[in-house]
Amino acid sequence: GAGVSQTPSNKVTEKGKYVELRCDPISGHTALYWYRQSLGQGPEFLIYFQGTGAADDSGLPNDRFFAVRPEGSVSTLKIQRTERGDSAVYLCASSLGAGGPFNEQFFGPGTRLTVL
Amino acid sequence: LAKTTQPISMDSYEGQEVNITCSHNNIATNDYITWYQQFPSQGPRFIIQGYKTKVTNEVASLFIPADRKSSTLSLPRVSLSDTAVYYCLVALYNNNDMRFGAGTRLTVKP
Repeated sequence: GAGVSQTPSNKVTEKGKYVELRCDPISGHTALYWYRQSLGQGPEFLIYFQGTGAADDSGLPNDRFFAVRPEGSVSTLKIQRTERGDSAVYLCASSLGAGGPFNEQFFGPGTRLTVL
Repeated sequence: LAKTTQPISMDSYEGQEVNITCSHNNIATNDYITWYQQFPSQGPRFIIQGYKTKVTNEVASLFIPADRKSSTLSLPRVSLSDTAVYYCLVALYNNNDMRFGAGTRLTVKP
């Protein structure tokens, strides 16, 4: 079956611009997660949705970052006034039930964001 | 959250068994240990999870001693395609809080 998909696969933008990154989770997965991964580092947790609501957004670095999941399926990560330090691979994952290691997270291929 | 410590990198040769040890001295009673694998340009992929003693699946084995302050991921007879970064995570089984460290970069040589 289809896995987690993310679009675009690559995004190049200029400093100060606004970007949206999209995640399509596995059908039926109620939990959705966003991570950010810099070169040579492990994924850094950003936010977790259970259904439509953000159950934990403690990983969002500042108020320029925002994510939505209006219908409990597709999610969009939005970054305002991008900075060069935002350059990273943004990973999305989904899991069948409520979060936690027992609910295996399935990751998408990521969106590589480059801010010039 | 229990902090985990793993070797930054390891080298091995095809056909060998590889053991990657993770330290988690502050693991709590309700914490579980989970390992993920990540290939270049891909998202992490679940390998194995356990609470105590030994867990085995078709990919790997996970050994957890009685004090649970460490765990060892064992990959039998590695091949070149096992070259990847391996992450050890410790978290409450019903908690979404997955915090990755830097992982162990395993390189399998011919």
